[in-house]
Amino acid sequence: EAGVAQSPRYKIIEKRQSVAFWCNPISGHATLYWYQQILGQGPKLLIQFQNNGVVDDSQLPKDRFSAERLKGVDSTLKIQPAKLEDSAVYLCASSLKGGRTEAFFGQGTRLTVV
Amino acid sequence: GDSVTQMEGPVTLSEEAFLTINCTYTATGYPSLFWYVQYPGEGLQLLLKATKADDKGSNKGFEATYRKETTSFHLEKGSVQVSDSAVYFCALGDSGNTPLVFGKGTRLSVIA
Repeated sequence: EAGVAQSPRYKIIEKRQSVAFWCNPISGHATLYWYQQILGQGPKLLIQFQNNGVVDDSQLPKDRFSAERLKGVDSTLKIQPAKLEDSAVYLCASSLKGGRTEAFFGQGTRLTVV
Repeated sequence: GDSVTQMEGPVTLSEEAFLTINCTYTATGYPSLFWYVQYPGEGLQLLLKATKADDKGSNKGFEATYRKETTSFHLEKGSVQVSDSAVYFCALGDSGNTPLVFGKGTRLSVIA
């Protein structure tokens, strides 16, 4: 079974530029998460989708971050404009149905903003 | 809201030593509990899970028991190896459509 795919693996941009990350979840998984992981910390939820609807985006900085999940499958996360403090690893995860079921993670995208 | 508290690291052990990483939780519902492991430069991998009280999750020599009375899910391994060096995260998934909640992680270094 194919795992969660993310791209790119690494990205370096200058502050105030824009960047986009892509995620393809495990086939059949209804729930998709984007987490932000700053060096030395645990993952922090940015947004949760159930199929193509948003379940929780309370911690998404909506003035600069946006996310969508097309047709309930692939998802993109965008940052515009980026700030230095956005430097982190962005993790995508998917789960069969969220809640009490486990999530499976992609390898992440390491973003460096200079 | 739900939360997970795990012991702060880093933890440094000699090879073949016994490992315990403490994890306690607060939840409003009846959560599932998980341990994830993150190797350098990689995403999180599910290590083990338990879905109800007194369940024991186990994998690769690691085990953890879901203790409802103490709201704990401590990770243990009898004899660690250098290859176990990684960051370990305790997490919970609660009832309904809530997202997984993670602890801050514990870095383990095993030296030969």
